[in-house]
Amino acid sequence: KQEVTQIPAALSVPEGENLVLNCSFTDSAIYNLQWFRQDPGKGLTSLLLIQSSQREQTSGRLNASLDKSSGRSTLYIAASQPGDSATYLCAVEDQGAQKLVFGQGTRLTINP
Amino acid sequence: NAGVTQTPKFRILKIGQSMTLQCAQDMNHNYMYWYRQDPGMGLKLIYYSVGAGITDKGEVPNGYNVSRSTTEDFPLRLELAAPSQTSVYFCASSYVGGDGDTQYFGPGTRLTVL
Repeated sequence: KQEVTQIPAALSVPEGENLVLNCSFTDSAIYNLQWFRQDPGKGLTSLLLIQSSQREQTSGRLNASLDKSSGRSTLYIAASQPGDSATYLCAVEDQGAQKLVFGQGTRLTINP
Repeated sequence: NAGVTQTPKFRILKIGQSMTLQCAQDMNHNYMYWYRQDPGMGLKLIYYSVGAGITDKGEVPNGYNVSRSTTEDFPLRLELAAPSQTSVYFCASSYVGGDGDTQYFGPGTRLTVL
């Protein structure tokens, strides 16, 4: 059974810093991995999707990497801003499953 | 496009009551999903549908039922509500075979069972 873990559960950094969020998964036979952002009281917004054949995806100040062999993904946020404060969730879709398995999320706070 | 819409936004139920959470999408997506999110936790899949007339159980289906009579709508039915069903419920949809199966989420329904 696929399990997804995100550490740390919470992270607080000063504005302007570059930071990395971590995601690990137990079964490397994945179809894709997705990173989502969730603002308090809101739904999830997809940030990046990495197919199993890809190593990374970039969108603006965000870069997500995938290492299937080690069961890890990272979300790199450059030049962090207070508006980046949110919970970031990682989810994997297993091969042939069409279903997502989510991590618990990392609650990120960017201090002005 | 409205995307994925959910109603109601908030609801308080008494133990043993029943209700239906509504979900609709206007993106012509074939797949639809229901998740629940408990405080401080990730999302857990309740039920999903690969198309009209086809549904299947997810990780936590007990106490819930779904139907999918049209491509657009995917209601979630709670029968005999229990305190353990207090949670935030999210509906999502995706087009499998399109842009890599990105899932699009609704704003959620916050349900409290007392």
